[in-house]
This record gives sequence, C-alpha cells and structure tokens, in this order.
Amino acid sequence: EVQLVESGGGLVQPGGSLRLSCAASGYTFSTYWMHWVRQVPGRGLVWVARINEDGSTTTYADSVRGRFTISRDNARNTLYLQMNSLRADDTSVYYCIRDLAGGQDFWGQGTLVTVSS
Amino acid sequence: DIVMTQSPLSLSVTPGEPASISCRSTQSLQHSNGKIFFSWYLLKPGQSPQVLIYLGSNRASGVPDRFSGSRSGTDFTLKISRVEAEDVGVYYCMQGLQTPYTFGQGTKLEIK
Repeated sequence: EVQLVESGGGLVQPGGSLRLSCAASGYTFSTYWMHWVRQVPGRGLVWVARINEDGSTTTYADSVRGRFTISRDNARNTLYLQMNSLRADDTSVYYCIRDLAGGQDFWGQGTLVTVSS
Repeated sequence: DIVMTQSPLSLSVTPGEPASISCRSTQSLQHSNGKIFFSWYLLKPGQSPQVLIYLGSNRASGVPDRFSGSRSGTDFTLKISRVEAEDVGVYYCMQGLQTPYTFGQGTKLEIK
C-alpha cells in the first residue's frame, strides 16, 4: 500500500524556519518525481515545488524561490521541504505528492504550517 | 503562467441527477509527446485531494465510472452521470504541462 506521511508542521514566528518531511512507503520512491502543494485552509490549491527522481533537478513557484528548498534522500525514502524566512502568507496545509499530473498521483494527508507571532 | 478557469464555482445537485464542471486553460496542454497534462481532483472535507481524471480523460484507479472527463481544445469537462452524497467536496482542475503547475479556483459541489 502506497503511503506518504508528512511531518514537521507547526507554529513558527515570521522570519523563522521549518523543515517538512514526507516519508514514502509502498513503492519505489526513487523512480518518481515528487512535489509539494499547499492550501490555505478553505482556499485553493497552489503548487510549490518539484524535484526529479535523483534530486538533480528542482523547480519552484516564484512565491517561494530563494526561501524554500526541496530535496530528497532516496536511501531514506524521504522528501523534504526546508522553509526559511517564513511569512504570514506561507500559512497553509502542505501536501507532498507523488507524480503530480503524471497519472500515478498520490497525495499525503498534509501537515499544517502556521506563521504567526 | 497558464491560467485555469473553472465554472461554475458552486453547484447544488439532487442525488441521482447529473452534474458537469468546466475548466478552460489559456493555452494548449498537449505535450510534444502527445500527452495532455490535465487532471481533475476532488477535495473532500477532512481529507487530502484525490485524483479523479489524469492525462486529460483517463479515470484514476478506484474512481467510480460515473465520473468521466473530456476535452475539446483547451476546454475540459468533468461529468458525473448520477451524483451521490459521497461526491460532495471541492473539485479542482490542474495543468501539469509547465511550471508553475496551476489549479482552477475550485468548484464546490453540494447535495440538495
């Protein structure tokens, strides 16, 4: 059974940092692109970043480029999102997704990040 | 960026009746390999999004066959042949042809 389990969310002050993790199981993690998508509670979905199978290629949304870093550890079957210089408008539920748009989509349950003083 | 525009933004449907949601993209979503990088998702209350339709018109595994997707150029349609109570939630379209991937505004489906 495929599982994606996010962790690392919580309350952080503006300007602070958090690192989200996404533990994958039930499939060969190293053979899929991985993505992060976020949703402000009650609002729409916004794509954040993606990373290719071996971690050599990353792409970011303009709103997070330079502040967020997506990475992966294929030996640990884990995806990461390092978030620095957090702002109030980064407050969202963050989802990790396998193979977004590729036909083998699978979403984690999400982790809530709240940026507030 | 490719803009995805959904309509309607809300829908109230009697169980057993059909429903239809539209999504228009500002440019073709066809890759040079012929694939259409377009998907439909459903976000049910308290759950994470689930894919319904991928690569334009392919129904995802486990999705009931009352759901179908179609395309005409840059116009996409999700049809539910007979709405059931479990279909409530917010439906999103998304393009995955180029970054940034972009979603429609969402269509909230309620049951009458």
